Amino acid sequence: DAGITQSPRYKITETGRQVTLMCHQTWSHSYMFWYRQDLGHGLRLIYYSAAADITDKGEVPDGYVVSRSKTENFPLTLESATRSQTSVYFCASGAGAYNEQFFGPGTRLTVL
Amino acid sequence: QKEVEQNSGPLSVPEGAIASLNCTYSDRGSQSFFWYRQYSGKSPELIMSIYSNGDKEDGRFTAQLNKASQYVSLLIRDSQPSDSATYLCAVNTNAGKSTFGDGTTLTVKP
Repeated sequence: DAGITQSPRYKITETGRQVTLMCHQTWSHSYMFWYRQDLGHGLRLIYYSAAADITDKGEVPDGYVVSRSKTENFPLTLESATRSQTSVYFCASGAGAYNEQFFGPGTRLTVL
Repeated sequence: QKEVEQNSGPLSVPEGAIASLNCTYSDRGSQSFFWYRQYSGKSPELIMSIYSNGDKEDGRFTAQLNKASQYVSLLIRDSQPSDSATYLCAVNTNAGKSTFGDGTTLTVKP
């Protein structure tokens, strides 16, 4: 299927566990982004990538790790999940530095 | 001061009225500007992009950009109940990333 997909859509985990959220896009967009969205905070950028093997921190990177070995994939890993990481996570992609972004459906993560 | 600020809302307008959403930004180097619509429980979707000063119209939507005053606005004409959503303003710097405002929730009452 064309577009941008995220998996899983819903995840419940426990404090201290490692969790990986997957993101896959079929447009060959150069840029990919991870955001978290919490009530009252809008979208906050966690990490972004301008191309394969190039990643950079966003506004709230602590506790998260990303990699981008292939253009189409941009996984986000929570190395040791905390309750404060309970949120909705959106992956997005864009063709260029000044282009619009296209969002995946989101992953709702609950950390108990 | 937040990098991107939107009128806090919520905003309520009657069906058929014009809804006006405003956004200011702090980085004068910002290059591109976007409005996204987000329905409850869904992901943001792009409705307008604007890159140069002036107005850009697309159907019932008009985006306005004034770089000197560092503001961007979105007008929705003939508002419909289906326009009820949260509207997010996003601003791109030359670093290639977008900074989003917290959003304005619009309710269009039949």
